[in-house]
Amino acid sequence: GESVGLHLPTLSVQEGDNSIINCAYSNSASDYFIWYKQESGKGPQFIIDIRSNMDKRQGQRVTVLLNKTVKHLSLQIAATQPGDSAVYFCAENAGGTYKYIFGTGTRLKVLA
Amino acid sequence: EPEVTQTPSHQVTQMGQEVILRCVPISNHLYFYWYRQILGQKVEFLVSFYNNEISEKSEIFDDQFSVERPDGSNFTLKIRSTKLEDSAMYFCASRTKGTDTQYFGPGTRLTVL
Repeated sequence: GESVGLHLPTLSVQEGDNSIINCAYSNSASDYFIWYKQESGKGPQFIIDIRSNMDKRQGQRVTVLLNKTVKHLSLQIAATQPGDSAVYFCAENAGGTYKYIFGTGTRLKVLA
Repeated sequence: EPEVTQTPSHQVTQMGQEVILRCVPISNHLYFYWYRQILGQKVEFLVSFYNNEISEKSEIFDDQFSVERPDGSNFTLKIRSTKLEDSAMYFCASRTKGTDTQYFGPGTRLTVL
């Protein structure tokens, strides 16, 4: 089980560099995946999503990669900006259920 | 751009008291959710609601919890007798039919003393 006060992994990147945030998901039956950004004191904000019939999807400055073989999801942020500093969560949804299962989260710190 | 809104932003209550957390989902959305996030921990699913009934609930969502859509716009979470361990951020989310993307509100921070 988890301990109280989960310590988030932290990724520190220089402004302008690319960031890669990784997530291992739990359910091989999950068919929809989503990345959220959460700033301090705010709710999760949608970034990008991907279905299990795809392995890559691109948005504006963001790319999500899905590797179903190893149940791995990644979020790539190009030219990281100070405003990208936040906690990033992946979430998965298995077909036939209504709930999201959230990952642990990664704190992204952008260094000026 | 339409947003999910939640009130209050912060609720402080005494242990054993009842609280009602309120949400206004995005107007054309039909599926509604409550999640919670204990400080420093993962976001956890509580309950989903569609067509005026609960679709799915987690083990956390015991008899102390209930949800209601009292009118065409509000979606509420009631905790009948709060416990210290109910202290958390509570997030409401909604989605429209035909998509899987849930949009989250800003949350209500519940503090039980």
